[in-house]
Amino acid sequence: AQSVAQPEDQVNVAEGNPLTVKCTYSVSGNPYLFWYVQYPNRGLQFLLKYITGDNLVKGSYGFEAEFNKSQTSFHLKKPSALVSDSALYFCAVRDEARAGGNQFYFGTGTSLTVIP
Amino acid sequence: KAGVTQTPRYLIKTRGQQVTLSCSPISGHRSVSWYQQTPGQGLQFLFEYFSETQRNKGNFPGRFSGRQFSNSRSEMNVSTLELGDSALYLCASSLGSNSPLHFGNGTRLTVT
Repeated sequence: AQSVAQPEDQVNVAEGNPLTVKCTYSVSGNPYLFWYVQYPNRGLQFLLKYITGDNLVKGSYGFEAEFNKSQTSFHLKKPSALVSDSALYFCAVRDEARAGGNQFYFGTGTSLTVIP
Repeated sequence: KAGVTQTPRYLIKTRGQQVTLSCSPISGHRSVSWYQQTPGQGLQFLFEYFSETQRNKGNFPGRFSGRQFSNSRSEMNVSTLELGDSALYLCASSLGSNSPLHFGNGTRLTVT
């Protein structure tokens, strides 16, 4: 069965400092991993994805994620945090058990607060 | 290109009633999925439609149903509402497998 875990409910970081939001995954086959961000009273916005290829994936708004197969992790990173990055972040994995579908399992979310 | 549009944004219903939520996907997207978001359970998959056919279904009771029209627009229906159905219902469209989901802003359903 596929699943993702976000071990931190809350992450606080000072503006200008690097940020990391953690995600670990469990899949039976090849992992298809995604990061989304949610602002208050809005839907989720796609940030980046890993399907195959380079372990460092670059996405929107200066975010990047590092895929680590040995540690089964897919951590979201940004070199310099902005106050506007404060939001709820979700890691997701595509359900490979459902052939032909596009269903995802989402983590429980990590609330990121960037302190001015 | 217009994004995913969900209507209405807010709904207040009483127990026992039924409700219909609407979703218009991004033009050209044939896959439409529905998710329920609650503080306690996070995001839970409801169902996915592709070319008017339900392709996948999550672990929700039969009170939750949906459909997709020939123009890819989708509706979901919840009958005999319960207090626990209060949630943010998110619709997402995509081009297909391995493509990212594009979410609407959701419909906030409150059951009293």
